[in-house]
Amino acid sequence: AQSVTQLDSHVSVSEGTPVLLRCNYSSSYSPSLFWYVQHPNKGLQLLLKYTSAATLVKGINGFEAEFKKSETSFHLTKPSAHMSDAAEYFCVVTFNTNAGKSTFGDGTTLTVKP
Amino acid sequence: DTEVTQTPKHLVMGMTNKKSLKCEQHMGHRAMYWYKQKAKKPPELMFVYSYEKLSINESVPSRFSPECPNSSLLNLHLHALQPEDSALYLCASSQKAGWGTDTQYFGPGTRLTVL
Repeated sequence: AQSVTQLDSHVSVSEGTPVLLRCNYSSSYSPSLFWYVQHPNKGLQLLLKYTSAATLVKGINGFEAEFKKSETSFHLTKPSAHMSDAAEYFCVVTFNTNAGKSTFGDGTTLTVKP
Repeated sequence: DTEVTQTPKHLVMGMTNKKSLKCEQHMGHRAMYWYKQKAKKPPELMFVYSYEKLSINESVPSRFSPECPNSSLLNLHLHALQPEDSALYLCASSQKAGWGTDTQYFGPGTRLTVL
């Protein structure tokens, strides 16, 4: 069975400092991994995805993530936080065998202090 | 155009009402999804349509009835809902269901309140 764990339910950073949101997964198959962001009362927006090509994935708004198979991790980073980054972030894993079902992490709330 | 639209944005209904949520995409995607999201929780999958046929029903109560009239449209018919059904209902689409590399594009959601 597949699962995904977001290691921090809340992360607080100061504007201009680096962001690290952690995600670990477990699976028996090669996964596709996604990070989505959700601002209050909005839908989910794709930040980036890993699909077995380059292990370092660059996304929108300066975010990137590195797939580390040996650590079963897919942590999301950004060098310098902006106030507009304050939102909920979801790590998601899917498999070709799952007929469209994705497994969502519980989410990480990012707070950015001025 | 990577937009999924949902109407209405907000809906308040009584437990005896019948209402419908609507979702539309014009990206040529052949998979469409309904999710339910409670506050401070991740989305929970309800239904998946693949090529206009229902392929996944996650044991959703029959008071929720999905319909896919064509490849661009997805409806969710609501009847005799309970207050605990109050949530944000999200629609998503992807090129195909069952392909793990496929990106799901989400709509903005309908905020449903059941009184």
